[in-house]
Amino acid sequence: QKEVEQDPGPLSVPEGAIVSLNCTYSNSAFQYFMWYRQYSRKGPELLMYTYSSGNKEDGRFTAQVDKSSKYISLFIRDSQPSDSATYLCASGGNAGNMLTFGGGTRLMVKP
Amino acid sequence: DTGVSQDPRHKITKRGQNVTFRCDPISEHNRLYWYRQTLGQGPEFLTYFQNEAQLEKSRLLSDRFSAERPKGSFSTLEIQRTEQGDSAMYLCASSSATETQYFGPGTRLLVL
Repeated sequence: QKEVEQDPGPLSVPEGAIVSLNCTYSNSAFQYFMWYRQYSRKGPELLMYTYSSGNKEDGRFTAQVDKSSKYISLFIRDSQPSDSATYLCASGGNAGNMLTFGGGTRLMVKP
Repeated sequence: DTGVSQDPRHKITKRGQNVTFRCDPISEHNRLYWYRQTLGQGPEFLTYFQNEAQLEKSRLLSDRFSAERPKGSFSTLEIQRTEQGDSAMYLCASSSATETQYFGPGTRLLVL
């Protein structure tokens, strides 16, 4: 079993929809949780960064972490075709150490 | 542009050849990471440096792989005697001690 699990999708939604992307993790030592967006053949781009449990909002994006259930979520409001990409969740024990990634969820937002 | 840069962006080589990749981190970041990503998978950690010291290596980093960061700035990743299974995207990331990791564009390796 991988330490971070993510549904690979693809997830297809119409433009303007609210998108929910989710991950689960198994390592209780994880304290930092990130979401990266990756376009085809590009490097991952940091979207959201959360420490421990709680919510964090940045524009159309909201990240949630529930450490009691080891569940990580990313919500995208008013989704746009430009949001079409692969979304990677990642977790780490502290800010300086290695990140463990999920396999990524491919999102397609149709105009 | 002050982001992480990697060179080359693409590399095609024949099985058995050696290849070397370079990563230039964000200038004020003292930590540098290498990851490998295969098609349809998330990045997998290979190794990381704090300044010039290599502090951690993954079991994925076989004896054919070596990484250096001689002056605590740029880093190189060398693969000796390449195999077809080495074909992947090699990603470099950097961070300061208290921030998360920022990735470069990657080097895509194809071993024929």
